[in-house]
Amino acid sequence: GQNIDQPTEMTATEGAIVQINCTYQTSGFNGLFWYQQHAGEAPTFLSYNVLDGLEEKGRFSSFLSRSKGYSYLLLKELQMKDSASYLCAAEQTGANNLFFGTGTRLTVIP
Amino acid sequence: SQTIHQWPATLVQPVGSPLSLECTVEGTSNPNLYWYRQAAGRGLQLLFYSVGIGQISSEVPQNLSASRPQDRQFILSSKKLLLSDSGFYLCAWSYSGGDAFFGQGTRLTVV
Repeated sequence: GQNIDQPTEMTATEGAIVQINCTYQTSGFNGLFWYQQHAGEAPTFLSYNVLDGLEEKGRFSSFLSRSKGYSYLLLKELQMKDSASYLCAAEQTGANNLFFGTGTRLTVIP
Repeated sequence: SQTIHQWPATLVQPVGSPLSLECTVEGTSNPNLYWYRQAAGRGLQLLFYSVGIGQISSEVPQNLSASRPQDRQFILSSKKLLLSDSGFYLCAWSYSGGDAFFGQGTRLTVV
């Protein structure tokens, strides 16, 4: 089966850095997605990691360790608009869908 | 470019009434199509996915069903809604299980 774990909630201060962790267990793992979802809206794509290491994209970076079944999303220079849920999703080789975690609700405070 | 349309945006239905949510994709052929549900405080739960016309895979047993009458049309239905069916329903498409592109969602409240 598949299992994806991420913290339920996090709080961070505007301008700071926050790291959201995700651990996964899945057979035939292919890659790891991160999505951002504002309340009441659809998720939007943030990043995709296939190889080990850090992928940087502006203020957002995502890291993957395939051997450890671990990923994190790093958000720098936090802004109030970054308050949202962040969903980790595992892509399984040969499967036709993504397996989502329950999401981490991030609250950015002044 | 590809676009995905999902309607209605909000829906309030009484218990026991039927349901029909429609999703269409434009600008692509033979996409994988998905229905997800997101209940309060929970993550995205995959309900159904389809790799082609008339091909439906169900991930979670429930009183919902899905159909794909055309290549780019995916419909979520129920004959009799339950209170527990309330939630945020999202349609999505992808190329063979890669990055999923979501519709804007339907917030269903069963009363």
